[in-house]
Amino acid sequence: EIVLTQSPGTLSLSPGERATLSCRASQSVNSNYLAWFQQRPGQAPRLLIYGASNRATGIPDRFSGSGSGTDFTLSISRLEPEDFAVYHCQQYGSIPYTFGQGTKLEIK
Amino acid sequence: EVQLVESGGGVVQPGGSLRLSCAASGFTFSSYWMHWVRQDPGKGLVWVSRTDENGRTTDYADSVKGRFTISRDNAKNTLYLQMNSLRAEDTAVYYCARGGTTGFQWGQGTLVTVSS
Repeated sequence: EIVLTQSPGTLSLSPGERATLSCRASQSVNSNYLAWFQQRPGQAPRLLIYGASNRATGIPDRFSGSGSGTDFTLSISRLEPEDFAVYHCQQYGSIPYTFGQGTKLEIK
Repeated sequence: EVQLVESGGGVVQPGGSLRLSCAASGFTFSSYWMHWVRQDPGKGLVWVSRTDENGRTTDYADSVKGRFTISRDNAKNTLYLQMNSLRAEDTAVYYCARGGTTGFQWGQGTLVTVSS
């Protein structure tokens, strides 16, 4: 089973700043099948990035994903108030699919 | 627009059974692998099960293997999860999700509570 470790656990930033979130895998992710999701309180996860670097339909271009193999990054260039939420990474290249423990992005 | 609507959650006693349903619309249901994922209250996401486009291939997390059964009815555009021998640790919000190389699309979830 691939273990995904997200860091930091909590990130405190102000609107307008840049956020950088990390997701590290215990072994290489097949075909870079790595996704990022945003989850607001009481809501379902929302797909942001798939295939490590592809933005999902309707996702603003301030969100970008990068990385390959075992190290992946989600960047948010200029934080908007609605971006403060929990972010999860997921690998879907091998069974069992696994998720990171989440990074909480909070307003400083 | 992809729409996935789960139903069937509720309160059940330990050892009991529950069947979840997920009604799909806005895409060709029979062309996609489908998944169930759960989220413990206040905790992370855990993949539970998946089935291929015609329901012939299924996979399960070790924690539910032998107790849960995933199935689908392509004529009704509906995914199911039969959950037997439920335990307190199965308490969670259960999401259905459309799979594929372009990532998961999620339903809104249904809450399952296992408690006496």
